[in-house]
Amino acid sequence: DGGITQSPKYLFRKEGQNVTLSCEQNLNHDAMYWYRQDPGQGLRLIYYSQIVNDFQKGDIAEGYSVSREKKESFPLTVTSAQKNPTAFYLCASGVTYEQYFGPGTRLTVT
Amino acid sequence: GENVEQHPSTLSVQEGDSAVIKCTYSDSASNYFPWYKQELGKRPQLIIDIRSNVGEKKDQRIAVTLNKTAKHFSLHITETQPEDSAVYFCAERGSTLGRLYFGRGTQLTVWP
Repeated sequence: DGGITQSPKYLFRKEGQNVTLSCEQNLNHDAMYWYRQDPGQGLRLIYYSQIVNDFQKGDIAEGYSVSREKKESFPLTVTSAQKNPTAFYLCASGVTYEQYFGPGTRLTVT
Repeated sequence: GENVEQHPSTLSVQEGDSAVIKCTYSDSASNYFPWYKQELGKRPQLIIDIRSNVGEKKDQRIAVTLNKTAKHFSLHITETQPEDSAVYFCAERGSTLGRLYFGRGTQLTVWP
């Protein structure tokens, strides 16, 4: 999982602004995922992509958008339509079965 | 699939004791069951997994058992140490290809 990077580690934004979180992997994994984690909560799937130029909505996709133009990259945009965007965002990548997580980005919107 | 129940939500044990966390699932097509450990402020890390063609897998002090008939699987940690304190998540990969369904997590605290 050392080959999955997320930047920045901490991100602060004002309400009403869109913000894009970066996720890059050099593990040659086909699949990539975005999860949201709130304090004391589990992992909720936002979007996932099994192949370049294709992605599927997860359980809480509203207010988020993604793109998968390159195998190595899966950026997540948190739009102003997301009502409660403050959270810990985790990107993951994997092959067939296993998923490995990046270090996460803690987003605070005020 | 969507329903993965994990129990207990919190677990406190004395150092050296064993800890068991159990998950149940409903999708009979589920074929892969990983366990993740998440320390405070860190990323979840895959610690052990099991596929549906085996009933038990061990790695040093941790083991996972799977009962496909009853649709449950469990994480067993023996000789617990304070550094085992973390949140543990179970997950399963069912009929929806490409994604995992996670349990809500168990906060394990090991007291010295």
